[in-house]
Amino acid sequence: DAGVTQSPTHLIKTRGQHVTLRCSPISGHKSVSWYQQVLGQGPQFIFQYYEKEERGRGNFPDRFSARQFPNYSSELNVNALLLGDSALYLCASSLGVAGGFRDTQYFGPGTRLTVL
Amino acid sequence: DQQVKQNSPSLSVQEGRISILNCDYTNSMFDYFLWYKKYPAEGPTFLISISSIKDKNEDGRFTVFLNKSAKHLSLHIVPSQPGDSAVYFCAASSNAGGTSYGKLTFGQGTILTVHP
Repeated sequence: DAGVTQSPTHLIKTRGQHVTLRCSPISGHKSVSWYQQVLGQGPQFIFQYYEKEERGRGNFPDRFSARQFPNYSSELNVNALLLGDSALYLCASSLGVAGGFRDTQYFGPGTRLTVL
Repeated sequence: DQQVKQNSPSLSVQEGRISILNCDYTNSMFDYFLWYKKYPAEGPTFLISISSIKDKNEDGRFTVFLNKSAKHLSLHIVPSQPGDSAVYFCAASSNAGGTSYGKLTFGQGTILTVHP
């Protein structure tokens, strides 16, 4: 079975540009979460989407936005890139069952973004 | 505000011995805890989880212990193997804010090195 897939693998952009990262969840998973990981730290939560609606948002500026499509895939968009946005961007999917079920997230390989 | 902390940046053990990785948390709302293993240039791989209604969960060589009163969890790997060498992250989640466990809060990670 295919796991979580992300594209592209690597990306180099310059300051001020815009970037779109893509994620396809595990088949049957309806929830997608995005994380940013900078070197030497644990992943930081950016967004969670479930059934095309935003369920949660981390402490990131409005330059970061995301959406989820009817097939449950997702895009993360970052506008006006800064040098500090250079990081590994991780997508995770989970079943998205409500009602207190302890849902486990499974991660994709990530997209390495370098901002010059 | 670091709600999940892994105070040991690194751990070195001999093959065949026990590896013990520790994690502390401060948020009493967390009720689901997970351990992930990460190799360079890859996404985190789910290892094992524990719900707050349990104090121990085992899966093969991996056992996670949870001490709710101390807000502390640990991962035991027995016996340790060279292939276990990686960065280990603990993560915590809850159903707060309607995210249905879709938001993980990670520790900073511990680099485990298992020597042959």
